[in-house]
Amino acid sequence: DAGVIQSPRHEVTEMGQEVTLRCKPISGHDYLFWYRQTMMRGLELLIYFNNNVPIDDSGMPEDRFSAKMPNASFSTLKIQPSEPRDSAVYFCASWGHPNTEAFFGQGTRLTVV
Amino acid sequence: KQEVTQIPAALSVPEGENLVLNCSFTDSAIYNLQWFRQDPGKGLTSLLLIQSSQREQTSGRLNASLDKSSGRSTLYIAASQPGDSATYLCAVNQAGTALIFGKGTTLSVSS
Repeated sequence: DAGVIQSPRHEVTEMGQEVTLRCKPISGHDYLFWYRQTMMRGLELLIYFNNNVPIDDSGMPEDRFSAKMPNASFSTLKIQPSEPRDSAVYFCASWGHPNTEAFFGQGTRLTVV
Repeated sequence: KQEVTQIPAALSVPEGENLVLNCSFTDSAIYNLQWFRQDPGKGLTSLLLIQSSQREQTSGRLNASLDKSSGRSTLYIAASQPGDSATYLCAVNQAGTALIFGKGTTLSVSS
């Protein structure tokens, strides 16, 4: 397996634009997580899914953020409209079971100007 | 609410030293604890996973211990090398929730 795949790797956009981040988890993994990493706050959990169903979205900072998982092999995180304070690295991770290792993608570095 | 703290935030050592990174957590009701490594501009790589019933795990020069009752874990790195320079993150897994991370310890090993 190629691991967790995220796209794009880098995204630069203007304030107010819509941004969509994509993630393909490891095949067979039932859990998928979206994290955001900044220098100030470290890694923060935004939302996670189990069997494509959102379980906990309490970390989503505002209604501008939304996430979907239409099937077991694909998830999106959307920010609309984007703001400069959304600039961060966004990671997707997956695991097969809570008692196993979590695997992370390479992240998407988002810059909103 | 679970909180994970890592001390120190940064550490510089000469090559060859043995070192210990610390991780503490506030709620001892955890499934497991995982240590990750993150290189600059990269994703996280899992190093060791310790189940709540275990006391330690070893992989090569790395040894991680877990004392669940006191809410502590340590990552021991033996004979450090410049290639060990990275940020090390500790994360706890509570039943029914996702991994909660500390802010990491940035390690620099000089040759």
